[in-house]
Amino acid sequence: ETGVTQTPRHLVMGMTNKKSLKCEQHLGHNAMYWYKQSAKKPLELMFVYSLEERVENNSVPSRFSPECPNSSHLFLHLHTLQPEDSALYLCASSRRTGYTEAFFGQGTRLTVV
Amino acid sequence: GDSVTQMEGPVTLSEEAFLTINCTYTATGYPSLFWYVQYPGEGLQLLLKATKADDKGSNKGFEATYRKETTSFHLEKGSVQVSDSAVYFCALKSSGDKLTFGTGTRLAVRP
Repeated sequence: ETGVTQTPRHLVMGMTNKKSLKCEQHLGHNAMYWYKQSAKKPLELMFVYSLEERVENNSVPSRFSPECPNSSHLFLHLHTLQPEDSALYLCASSRRTGYTEAFFGQGTRLTVV
Repeated sequence: GDSVTQMEGPVTLSEEAFLTINCTYTATGYPSLFWYVQYPGEGLQLLLKATKADDKGSNKGFEATYRKETTSFHLEKGSVQVSDSAVYFCALKSSGDKLTFGTGTRLAVRP
């Protein structure tokens, strides 16, 4: 148990669907992150939030839309995805941005059909 | 920019064999270095870290030494167990907020 919980664990969606991934942490951390994990590629940092404000967006397509309503919750809204977006999406948190250790959730395995 | 290069897997070993997973990096300044492990069906967990040259990180029998002269942070374990089967990620953090990861190396340990 890492203290970071992601739901759902698995998601299959069509290219015209709209869905959301949820991440929750009760570690008292102020920074939260979305990563994309694809086979044979390094983890890709997608978004960084610090105290509910987005501080980094690594050129992610607009079909991915993050939301951080409070420091414990992070969402990734998905709309009009492509098959190449199929991947494991990992949420992480840390005490603050720049802190060395990040705690990861178990991930959501997304398949776009 | 920062980058991390890991040996390609999968690495398949018999139980009690010696493990080495190579990791080299490119970074500006003096980065902190990490090994994360991802067990099947789980997220990443921090395994060990080293924050300056010649530091040795260790945990659960795994070790890695920060070698600035060779820009390396190789992961080693003297005697692997079946329960060590997982994907291992080398990572670094330099002056910014971003963790830069390698591609991961899958380890499979046979009984």
